[in-house]
Amino acid sequence: NAGVTQTPKFRILKIGQSMTLQCTQDMNHNYMYWYRQDPGMGLKLIYYSVGAGITDKGEVPNGYNVSRSTTEDFPLRLELAAPSQTSVYFCASSSSETQYFGPGTRLLVL
Amino acid sequence: GEDVEQSLFLSVREGDSSVINCTYTDSSSTYLYWYKQEPGAGLQLLTYIFSNMDMKQDQRLTVLLNKKDKHLSLRIADTQTGDSAIYFCAERWDGGYNKLIFGAGTRLAVHP
Repeated sequence: NAGVTQTPKFRILKIGQSMTLQCTQDMNHNYMYWYRQDPGMGLKLIYYSVGAGITDKGEVPNGYNVSRSTTEDFPLRLELAAPSQTSVYFCASSSSETQYFGPGTRLLVL
Repeated sequence: GEDVEQSLFLSVREGDSSVINCTYTDSSSTYLYWYKQEPGAGLQLLTYIFSNMDMKQDQRLTVLLNKKDKHLSLRIADTQTGDSAIYFCAERWDGGYNKLIFGAGTRLAVHP
C-alpha cells in the first residue's frame, strides 16, 4: 500500500513551458486535492475532485488545470509556466476523516 | 472568514514539553488536525480530534480543544531532537468536500 505518490520530485521549467505533475493514490479514495506551499506559508488549495470525472476550483486555480479520468489518478497541468508558480506542490487524497499527503513536487520556474 | 493562526516559532530544550497553539475561526468545523512536516518532506498526519471531544492523548502527544475559544493545542511530552519540524494546524471546513484550512505552521526547534 504505497498511499499517495507524486512524480517528479523536482523540476526546473523555463517561463512559458508546460508540464504535468502526476499524482496517484491506491487507497480507493474519492476525494483528491492539489495544494501549493510557498516558503513560510501554509498550504493553499488549487483544485480538488470528489470523484472520477468531477473536478472543481480551489482558492488559487489560475494557471492550472486538472483532470480525473480514474479514481486513482489526479494530474495537475501547468500550461504556460510563470515565475509565480515556483512552489512545492502537494497532492492529497481523503478518507471520510483524514487527508493523506504525497511527498511533494518541488518546481522552479526560471 | 476562514483563518487559522499559529505562532511561527518555538524553541525547547530536549526532554522538556512543547506546547504548540492554534486558533481557528469556523465554529462548525467537525475535525481539527495536526500535521508534521520535516525538511524536504510531505505532511505527515500526527493526530486529529473530533469537535465533540475536549482532549485526545496518543503516546507522547496530547491534543486539547477549547471550542468556546476556538483554541487547539498540541503538547509533545519529553521532546526529542527528532521532533524538530514544522507543525501545521488545520480545520476541516464543514461546507463540503472535506476541505482543510491550514495555518502557516509553527517551526519547532529542539536544542540540547
